[in-house]
Amino acid sequence: GQQLNQSPQSMFIQEGEDVSMNCTSSSIFNTWLWYKQDPGEGPVLLIALYKAGELTSNGRLTAQFGITRKDSFLNISASIPSDVGIYFCAGSDNFNKFYFGSGTKLNVKP
Amino acid sequence: GAVVSQHPSRVICKSGTSVKIECRSLDFQATTMFWYRQFPKQSLMLMATSNEGSKATYEQGVEKDKFLINHASLTLSTLTVTSAHPEDSSFYICSASVQGKTQYFGPGTRLLVL
Repeated sequence: GQQLNQSPQSMFIQEGEDVSMNCTSSSIFNTWLWYKQDPGEGPVLLIALYKAGELTSNGRLTAQFGITRKDSFLNISASIPSDVGIYFCAGSDNFNKFYFGSGTKLNVKP
Repeated sequence: GAVVSQHPSRVICKSGTSVKIECRSLDFQATTMFWYRQFPKQSLMLMATSNEGSKATYEQGVEKDKFLINHASLTLSTLTVTSAHPEDSSFYICSASVQGKTQYFGPGTRLLVL
Protein backbone atom coordinates (compact mmCIF):
# COMPACT_ATOMS: atom_id res chain seq x y z
CA GLY A 1 0.00 0.00 0.00
CA GLN A 2 0.87 3.64 -0.07
CA GLN A 3 3.43 4.91 2.41
CA LEU A 4 2.96 8.44 3.71
CA ASN A 5 5.62 9.86 6.00
CA GLN A 6 4.80 12.99 7.97
CA SER A 7 7.34 14.91 10.00
CA PRO A 8 7.99 16.05 12.54
CA GLN A 9 5.88 13.94 14.89
CA SER A 10 5.63 16.76 17.38
CA MET A 11 6.79 20.32 17.82
CA PHE A 12 7.11 22.65 20.80
CA ILE A 13 7.38 26.27 19.75
CA GLN A 14 7.02 29.74 21.20
CA GLU A 15 4.07 31.91 20.29
CA GLY A 16 4.96 34.06 17.30
CA GLU A 17 7.33 31.57 15.73
CA ASP A 18 6.84 30.08 12.28
CA VAL A 19 6.20 26.36 11.85
CA SER A 20 6.87 24.00 9.01
CA MET A 21 5.83 20.38 8.57
CA ASN A 22 5.90 18.09 5.58
CA CYS A 23 4.71 14.86 4.09
CA THR A 24 6.34 12.56 1.59
CA SER A 25 4.83 9.63 -0.24
CA SER A 26 6.30 6.57 -1.84
CA SER A 27 4.39 7.22 -5.04
CA ILE A 28 2.84 10.05 -7.00
CA PHE A 29 -0.29 11.75 -5.72
CA ASN A 30 -2.64 14.04 -7.63
CA THR A 31 -4.23 15.61 -4.57
CA TRP A 32 -2.78 16.76 -1.27
CA LEU A 33 -4.94 17.87 1.65
CA TRP A 34 -4.01 19.35 5.01
CA TYR A 35 -6.23 19.01 8.09
CA LYS A 36 -6.18 20.16 11.70
CA GLN A 37 -7.74 18.03 14.41
CA ASP A 38 -8.59 19.23 17.90
CA PRO A 39 -9.05 16.67 20.71
CA GLY A 40 -12.34 14.79 20.48
CA GLU A 41 -13.31 16.35 17.17
CA GLY A 42 -13.14 15.47 13.52
CA PRO A 43 -10.39 16.85 11.27
CA VAL A 44 -11.07 20.22 9.69
CA LEU A 45 -9.87 20.87 6.16
CA LEU A 46 -7.30 23.66 6.00
CA ILE A 47 -5.95 23.61 2.46
CA ALA A 48 -6.48 21.50 -0.66
CA LEU A 49 -3.89 21.22 -3.44
CA TYR A 50 -4.54 19.74 -6.87
CA LYS A 51 -1.59 20.69 -9.11
CA ALA A 52 2.12 20.04 -8.89
CA GLY A 53 3.90 23.20 -7.81
CA GLU A 54 0.71 24.78 -6.53
CA LEU A 55 1.19 27.14 -3.60
CA THR A 56 -1.95 28.02 -1.66
CA SER A 57 -2.53 30.21 1.37
CA ASN A 58 -5.30 30.32 3.93
CA GLY A 59 -4.63 33.18 6.32
CA ARG A 60 -1.39 32.44 8.14
CA LEU A 61 -1.22 28.97 6.59
CA THR A 62 0.58 28.20 3.35
CA ALA A 63 0.86 24.82 1.70
CA GLN A 64 2.62 23.64 -1.43
CA PHE A 65 2.20 20.65 -3.70
CA GLY A 66 5.71 19.43 -4.48
CA ILE A 67 6.96 19.42 -8.05
CA THR A 68 7.73 15.71 -7.88
CA ARG A 69 4.11 15.11 -6.75
CA LYS A 70 5.49 12.99 -3.93
CA ASP A 71 5.59 15.62 -1.22
CA SER A 72 3.82 18.58 0.31
CA PHE A 73 4.55 21.01 3.10
CA LEU A 74 2.49 23.18 5.39
CA ASN A 75 3.79 26.39 6.93
CA ILE A 76 2.16 28.33 9.73
CA SER A 77 3.43 31.84 10.25
CA ALA A 78 3.36 33.81 13.51
CA SER A 79 1.87 30.96 15.53
CA ILE A 80 -0.73 31.65 18.20
CA PRO A 81 -1.97 29.45 21.06
CA SER A 82 -5.10 28.36 19.15
CA ASP A 83 -2.87 26.75 16.52
CA VAL A 84 -2.34 23.93 19.02
CA GLY A 85 -3.59 20.63 17.69
CA ILE A 86 -2.68 17.74 15.45
CA TYR A 87 -2.10 18.42 11.78
CA PHE A 88 -2.60 15.67 9.23
CA CYS A 89 -1.64 15.51 5.61
CA ALA A 90 -3.62 13.33 3.23
CA GLY A 91 -2.86 12.33 -0.32
CA SER A 92 -4.82 10.69 -3.06
CA ASP A 93 -3.81 9.09 -6.33
CA ASN A 94 -7.23 8.34 -7.76
CA PHE A 95 -9.67 10.86 -6.30
CA ASN A 96 -11.51 8.17 -4.41
CA LYS A 97 -9.14 7.02 -1.70
CA PHE A 98 -7.03 9.10 0.60
CA TYR A 99 -4.00 8.07 2.63
CA PHE A 100 -3.21 9.89 5.84
CA GLY A 101 0.04 10.83 7.47
CA SER A 102 0.64 9.96 11.10
CA GLY A 103 0.13 13.54 12.19
CA THR A 104 2.21 16.38 13.63
CA LYS A 105 1.31 17.44 17.14
CA LEU A 106 1.86 21.16 17.56
CA ASN A 107 2.33 22.76 20.97
CA VAL A 108 2.55 26.54 21.26
CA LYS A 109 3.82 28.21 24.41
CA PRO A 110 2.22 31.59 25.10
CA GLY B 1 -20.74 25.04 3.08
CA ALA B 2 -19.58 21.40 3.08
CA VAL B 3 -20.86 20.52 6.55
CA VAL B 4 -20.96 16.92 7.68
CA SER B 5 -22.81 15.86 10.81
CA GLN B 6 -22.61 12.68 12.84
CA HIS B 7 -25.05 11.29 15.33
CA PRO B 8 -24.69 10.41 18.10
CA SER B 9 -21.61 12.29 19.23
CA ARG B 10 -21.00 9.75 21.94
CA VAL B 11 -22.60 6.49 22.95
CA ILE B 12 -22.14 4.02 25.75
CA CYS B 13 -23.54 0.55 25.29
CA LYS B 14 -23.43 -2.88 26.83
CA SER B 15 -21.36 -5.64 25.32
CA GLY B 16 -23.35 -7.64 22.79
CA THR B 17 -25.62 -4.84 21.66
CA SER B 18 -25.56 -3.11 18.28
CA VAL B 19 -24.93 0.56 17.74
CA LYS B 20 -25.84 2.64 14.70
CA ILE B 21 -23.97 5.79 13.77
CA GLU B 22 -25.35 8.21 11.20
CA CYS B 23 -23.33 10.43 8.90
CA ARG B 24 -25.05 13.18 6.94
CA SER B 25 -23.82 15.73 4.45
CA LEU B 26 -25.96 18.75 5.28
CA ASP B 27 -25.48 21.12 2.39
CA PHE B 28 -24.14 19.01 -0.44
CA GLN B 29 -24.61 15.66 -2.05
CA ALA B 30 -21.85 13.16 -1.46
CA THR B 31 -21.52 10.26 -3.86
CA THR B 32 -18.85 8.73 -1.64
CA MET B 33 -18.59 8.57 2.13
CA PHE B 34 -15.74 7.12 4.12
CA TRP B 35 -15.69 5.59 7.58
CA TYR B 36 -12.60 5.84 9.74
CA ARG B 37 -11.60 4.61 13.14
CA GLN B 38 -9.12 6.47 15.28
CA PHE B 39 -7.33 5.19 18.36
CA PRO B 40 -5.90 7.63 20.92
CA LYS B 41 -2.90 9.55 19.65
CA GLN B 42 -2.98 7.78 16.30
CA SER B 43 -3.88 8.67 12.76
CA LEU B 44 -7.11 7.82 11.04
CA MET B 45 -7.57 4.26 9.89
CA LEU B 46 -9.83 3.83 6.88
CA MET B 47 -12.41 1.14 7.50
CA ALA B 48 -14.55 1.30 4.39
CA THR B 49 -15.60 3.36 1.41
CA SER B 50 -19.30 3.75 0.88
CA ASN B 51 -20.90 4.66 -2.44
CA GLU B 52 -24.55 5.59 -2.70
CA GLY B 53 -26.67 2.71 -3.87
CA SER B 54 -23.94 0.11 -3.88
CA LYS B 55 -22.16 -2.14 -1.43
CA ALA B 56 -19.38 -0.67 0.65
CA THR B 57 -15.76 -1.54 -0.03
CA TYR B 58 -14.02 -2.66 3.13
CA GLU B 59 -10.33 -2.35 3.89
CA GLN B 60 -8.31 -5.44 4.60
CA GLY B 61 -8.85 -6.71 8.10
CA VAL B 62 -12.20 -4.96 8.62
CA GLU B 63 -15.06 -7.41 9.11
CA LYS B 64 -17.97 -6.44 6.90
CA ASP B 65 -20.41 -8.49 8.98
CA LYS B 66 -19.24 -6.71 12.10
CA PHE B 67 -19.34 -3.19 10.70
CA LEU B 68 -22.42 -2.88 8.52
CA ILE B 69 -22.49 0.12 6.24
CA ASN B 70 -25.53 1.41 4.40
CA HIS B 71 -25.44 4.37 2.03
CA ALA B 72 -29.10 4.88 1.35
CA SER B 73 -28.97 8.34 -0.20
CA LEU B 74 -26.56 10.98 -1.41
CA THR B 75 -26.69 12.64 2.00
CA LEU B 76 -26.79 9.73 4.45
CA SER B 77 -24.55 6.82 5.33
CA THR B 78 -24.83 4.67 8.43
CA LEU B 79 -22.35 2.46 10.23
CA THR B 80 -23.73 -0.23 12.50
CA VAL B 81 -21.37 -1.91 14.92
CA THR B 82 -23.00 -5.27 15.50
CA SER B 83 -22.61 -7.27 18.71
CA ALA B 84 -20.24 -4.67 20.07
CA HIS B 85 -17.45 -5.69 22.41
CA PRO B 86 -15.10 -3.58 24.55
CA GLU B 87 -12.36 -3.79 21.91
CA ASP B 88 -14.72 -1.97 19.53
CA SER B 89 -14.54 1.09 21.77
CA SER B 90 -13.02 3.85 19.69
CA PHE B 91 -13.55 7.17 17.95
CA TYR B 92 -15.40 6.67 14.67
CA ILE B 93 -15.31 9.44 12.08
CA CYS B 94 -17.05 9.68 8.74
CA SER B 95 -16.18 11.89 5.83
CA ALA B 96 -17.97 12.85 2.65
CA SER B 97 -16.35 13.32 -0.70
CA VAL B 98 -17.17 16.33 -2.85
CA GLN B 99 -16.86 15.42 -6.51
CA GLY B 100 -14.13 12.99 -5.51
CA LYS B 101 -11.65 15.83 -4.99
CA THR B 102 -11.61 16.34 -1.25
CA GLN B 103 -13.08 15.05 1.97
CA TYR B 104 -15.01 16.85 4.67
CA PHE B 105 -15.15 15.15 8.03
CA GLY B 106 -17.89 14.79 10.55
CA PRO B 107 -17.26 15.63 14.22
CA GLY B 108 -16.83 11.98 15.17
CA THR B 109 -18.62 9.55 17.45
CA ARG B 110 -17.05 8.28 20.64
CA LEU B 111 -18.14 4.70 21.29
CA LEU B 112 -17.61 3.06 24.66
CA VAL B 113 -18.62 -0.57 25.05
CA LEU B 114 -18.88 -1.79 28.61
